[in-house]
Amino acid sequence: EAGVTQFPSHSVIEKGQTVTLRCDPISGHDNLYWYRRVMGKEIKFLLHFVKESKQDESGMPNNRFLAERTGGTYSTLKVQPAELEDSGVYFCASSQPLNPIEQYFGPGTRLTVT
Amino acid sequence: GQQLNQSPQSMFIQEGEDVSMNCTSSSIFNTWLWYKQDPGEGPVLLIALYKAGELTSNGRLTAQFGITRKDSFLNISASIPSDVGIYFCAGARGGGTSYGKLTFGQGTILTVHP
Repeated sequence: EAGVTQFPSHSVIEKGQTVTLRCDPISGHDNLYWYRRVMGKEIKFLLHFVKESKQDESGMPNNRFLAERTGGTYSTLKVQPAELEDSGVYFCASSQPLNPIEQYFGPGTRLTVT
Repeated sequence: GQQLNQSPQSMFIQEGEDVSMNCTSSSIFNTWLWYKQDPGEGPVLLIALYKAGELTSNGRLTAQFGITRKDSFLNISASIPSDVGIYFCAGARGGGTSYGKLTFGQGTILTVHP
């Protein structure tokens, strides 16, 4: 069974530019999550999709971040315009419909904003 | 917001030694999880604990869910070089719209000398 995949693995952009991160969850996993780890700190929750609906977006830092999951399959996280403090590793995770807690993480996208 | 205090921040041990790390919180969590992250990879779920007082083993790993629901520890017995990595604790409160949200500790960096 394929795990959670993320693209790209690395992205370097300039302040003010736009970046879109993609996540493909494990097949059959209705729950999809985005997390972020900034500068060696703890991994922080951003939001949670159930299928195509946003269940919880309480962790989204501001309106420069837009997450979508059209069709309830893959998800994108767009940062526009990017700021220096957005640098970090963005993780996507997914879990089975009836067990939202046991989450399986992708390898992450390392975003560097210069 | 809620914080998990994980300690120690880092450990340097000899192969064959036992390791212990823990997480504490000022708030109650209804589920505790332990993850391990290898370089360039995403966190991998090691153990999930669902009941206060629960003691669960997975090979050389043993984890306990504190009776107060405010702490958890992870033990690794007879460490081997491939145990190297960052270990994260995570808690979930469950219920409400944030039922899927995991709160993470800062991580424990484990180095094992052969």
